[in-house]
Amino acid sequence: QSALTQPASVSGSPGQSITISCTGTRSDIGGYNYVSWYQQHPGKAPKVIIYDVSDRPSGVSDRFSGSKSGNTASLTISGLQAEDEADYYCSSYTSSGTRVFGTGTKVTAL
Amino acid sequence: VQLVESGGGVVQPGKSLRLSCAASGFSFSSYSMHWVRQAPGKGLEWVALTSKDGTTKFADSVKGRFTISRDNSRDTVYMQMDSLRAEDTATYYCAREFSGPNWFDPWGQGTLVTVSS
Repeated sequence: QSALTQPASVSGSPGQSITISCTGTRSDIGGYNYVSWYQQHPGKAPKVIIYDVSDRPSGVSDRFSGSKSGNTASLTISGLQAEDEADYYCSSYTSSGTRVFGTGTKVTAL
Repeated sequence: VQLVESGGGVVQPGKSLRLSCAASGFSFSSYSMHWVRQAPGKGLEWVALTSKDGTTKFADSVKGRFTISRDNSRDTVYMQMDSLRAEDTATYYCAREFSGPNWFDPWGQGTLVTVSS
């Protein structure tokens, strides 16, 4: 049950697009379309922004989008805004029926 | 729709603690419930789940030490934590698996567990 691998930090200028990768194995990301992404601001509980690889819950900005290729999932934030500064975590269902989170990525708007 | 955790605190290594998560605003018995923890300054770590049919699963890091259970009559999920270690120090969140699997919404506000002598 190793954590999924994410870059420690990603930054971009306001208005730019950034992409966060999340790499797993055939036993998690590669085997199922059950990848979700969470945004966490300091001192707050996580909030889901993407589920089932690319679906957005109602109320989540369409600037957030998700995709998957093989064992790697990706989250793209378009038109980066200051309010998007936060930590982002991916998560996947696993072949053993457990769940696993990514190592987390800190997003900074320069 | 709300989840409220309780039961956190300071506990000595090797001791036990029981966390509770009270749910409201939805049909509790129809959903799987999870515990996720976050050590200070660290990332999220999935800990355990109880399915709506009572099936339980655990992360390797807590298997054999933690137990998860649910009381559908009280709309509450519990986590019994035994043989606690310093590395179990974290904020513990409960979360509903809304759909999925693997779509956690909502999350509780978290309860802090500190394992220290």
